[in-house]
Amino acid sequence: AIWMTQSPSLLSASTGDRVTISCRMSQGISSYLAWYQQKPGKAPELLIYAASTLQSGVPSRFSGSGSGTDFTLTISCLQSEDFATYYCQQYYSFPPTFGQGTKLEIK
Amino acid sequence: EVQLVESGGGLVQPGGSLRLSCAASGFTVSSNYMSWVRQAPGKGLEWVSVIYSGGSTYYADSVKGRFTISRHNSKNTLYLQMNSLRAEDTAVYYCARSLGDTAMVYDYWGQGTLVTVSS
Repeated sequence: AIWMTQSPSLLSASTGDRVTISCRMSQGISSYLAWYQQKPGKAPELLIYAASTLQSGVPSRFSGSGSGTDFTLTISCLQSEDFATYYCQQYYSFPPTFGQGTKLEIK
Repeated sequence: EVQLVESGGGLVQPGGSLRLSCAASGFTVSSNYMSWVRQAPGKGLEWVSVIYSGGSTYYADSVKGRFTISRHNSKNTLYLQMNSLRAEDTAVYYCARSLGDTAMVYDYWGQGTLVTVSS
């Protein structure tokens, strides 16, 4: 299985900040990476797939980049509704695997 | 509007069985790749199983031989039959629809149903 290391595990930021979350893979996955947002007690929501393609309806302040083994999710100008946990997921090979999550909290 | 509604979770003893259901609306289950993904309390996400539109099924090693994914086309419903349950199967189970032809990217999720395996 392909494993990923998401960092940081916890990120404290303020509304209006620009933040980045990293996901490093145990092997190259081309651009087969997705990002999800999950709020407490809710199901995950798809933000980005194919490393940088924004899912329909997702605000443009979210962006993704990277290929191979290193990927980044960037949120520019944090809004109050963005404080949540974020997961990366590879779908290059079976089984699909998720990162351990990054909790974005209000500073 | 696409909706997924899970049911069937609950408390079960180790070694017991449960069948989860996921009723879909707004699209056709049999025309899409459908998966189950679980999340243990306070933990991350773990893929469990997928059924392709053609009917092929795949499982995580942790549940292979114990869980069975299926669908009922006329009811537009996805199922997960879980047998020989273990404490480590305790989790919220989500059904999820795959995004177009991207089999393992999930664009719609249900609200989840909690399975607790405990004596």
